[in-house]
Formats: sequence, structure tokens, C-alpha cells
Amino acid sequence: GAVVSQHPSWVICKSGTSVKIECRSLDFQATTMFWYRQFPKQSLMLMATSNEGSKATYEQGVEKDKFLINHASLTLSTLTVTSAHPEDSSFYICAVQGQVDYEQYFGPGTRLTVT
Amino acid sequence: AQKITQTQPGMFVQEKEAVTLDCTYDTSDPSYGLFWYKQPSSGEMIFLIYQGSYDQQNATEGRYSLNFQKARKSANLVISASQLGDSAMYFCAMRVEQAGTALIFGKGTTLSVSS
Repeated sequence: GAVVSQHPSWVICKSGTSVKIECRSLDFQATTMFWYRQFPKQSLMLMATSNEGSKATYEQGVEKDKFLINHASLTLSTLTVTSAHPEDSSFYICAVQGQVDYEQYFGPGTRLTVT
Repeated sequence: AQKITQTQPGMFVQEKEAVTLDCTYDTSDPSYGLFWYKQPSSGEMIFLIYQGSYDQQNATEGRYSLNFQKARKSANLVISASQLGDSAMYFCAMRVEQAGTALIFGKGTTLSVSS
């Protein structure tokens, strides 16, 4: 399967600043990537689906102006949390859609803490 | 609406015993896929097993098997011969064809394996 990396693996930032999280597909050209969010001891919630070269599709309730997603190449998608607040503290996980419908490869996740 | 339900917040099992983690799903789409993922404390999502809605036989992958009962809309994960390394959070997930390729996750079950 595809190897997916995320950078950084963890980040602490001050309230009001912006943070960029990178998701890279290391050995697979990913047309579609997903961004999920997970609060402690809770489930993964889909935030948005990003397709290379087009605008991301956001799930209901996710502010697209706050969570900026860019999927500029087949190997890189970025999530920027703008003007972060403590309630944005969470575990953010990206996933790459594989060639077969049931294949989805997850990155190791990024833990964001906003102080 | 599509939904995944995992009713067991936590399960405890002894080494070498088998354990069943429950999962029920709800969808009106005839074409869907069901997944199980393992998430250890490190946070990475590890794919375990997949079952397509049209698959006639229950999926098996090593010590993992999926007890697929379509009429009951259940997709329970059976882990045989539990090992200490199986201690983790387990998520059941579903992909519905008409909704694209993103996954809908259940709330998860924490499995603790003791010696």
C-alpha cells in the first residue's frame, strides 16, 4: 500500500497564530486525499476531501475559511489552521485514496495543541 | 443517513482467548464497504480487514475475521488467539458508494489484553 507521511508529528502554537500541516504520499500519486480530526478518546471525523488541482469539499459544520486545504500536487496536501484557538487542539490525520475503492492509507497524524 | 454504531466502549480479554468486537451499520445504499482499523496509543490507523457488501464469504486476514451478517446489518470483528500487542482502540468504518470514498467511523472500542 501507499506510504503516507505527515509533518509535523506534533506542534504547539499560541492562540491566534496559523499552523500548516503537510500530508505527503511518498510512493503513490494521490488524486484524492482526506483530512480527519480526532478528539481524545473519540472517533475520527471527516473534515474535508481534497482532489488534486481543485477546491476541497468540506463536510457540514467545518469552516473552510478556518481550515484551508491545498492539494496542489499528486503527492502533497496541506491543511492550514488559521487563527488557531484552544478548541482547535486535536489530532489531525490525513488519508490517501488508493487505486481500489476500498483502499485508504492513513498518515501517522499530527497532534496540535493551541495554548 | 449512514451510521456506524459500536456499543462496546471497552473490552477485556486474556491472552490466547478470542474476542468479538461489535459493529452495526445503517445505510440504504446497496453498495458499500465495511472496514476495521486498529489504532494503538501512537495514533496511527492500521487497516485490518475489509468486507464488500456483495461479498458472499466473510473476510479473513490472519487472526482477524469479519462476521458479516447483512440482514442484521452487522459486521463484527473476531480476533482469535489475542496477543498483548492487540491492546488498542478498534474502529469500524463504512464507505458508501453514493457518498464517495470517504469513511464514516464508529466511536471505537478499546480492547485491553492481559496476560
